[in-house]
Amino acid sequence: DTAVSQTPKYLVTQMGNDKSIKCEQNLGHDTMYWYKQDSKKFLKIMFSYNNKELIINETVPNRFSPKSPDKAHLNLHINSLELGDSAVYFCASSRDGDNSPLHFGNGTRLTVT
Amino acid sequence: AQSVTQPDIHITVSEGASLELRCNYSYGATPYLFWYVQSPGQGLQLLLKYFSGDTLVQGIKGFEAEFKRSQSSFNLRKPSVHWSDAAEYFCAVGLTSGTYKYIFGTGTRLKVLA
Repeated sequence: DTAVSQTPKYLVTQMGNDKSIKCEQNLGHDTMYWYKQDSKKFLKIMFSYNNKELIINETVPNRFSPKSPDKAHLNLHINSLELGDSAVYFCASSRDGDNSPLHFGNGTRLTVT
Repeated sequence: AQSVTQPDIHITVSEGASLELRCNYSYGATPYLFWYVQSPGQGLQLLLKYFSGDTLVQGIKGFEAEFKRSQSSFNLRKPSVHWSDAAEYFCAVGLTSGTYKYIFGTGTRLKVLA
């Protein structure tokens, strides 16, 4: 299936831990994103990579570090997790240019206890 | 500043009734406009998009939306709602080409009564 897939689907961890979320797309897209959806369903862009280069880096704590080993992968590593990091994190991808639609993964629900 | 407003947080309609979800945007140029649907536990799925041309656009699942420049609106409609349409709906604006920036509204949760 052509899609954006992210793992894990659920992640429960304690404060202070370090965790990673992985994302892969097989759509041949050049741009990948990480969005955070809070408990009120508000979606906020965190990062965007185009051809492995960081192009959007919103005001996100530097505990969050994205890594793009190649165009098809964009992983998110989070250090020293805090309670406020609990949210659903969505990976997405899009074709280059002209504001092509975003294709979303199914999300990773992160719960920090 | 660019923004997207979805004035209705919750909407409840009966199955078979018509539906209109409102979306207003604030952006200096002509935006690229999108509607997405999010079912529980799922990612967002594109319903339809507007870039240019005909201001009435058709999407999947029987949805349509109309771009009205004078009102800065892009409202989503469906003539007859099905129970499976119950979900969260997001309007989004794509900013100037090449910036890869999309701004999302806060969403409208649709409940469908049998």
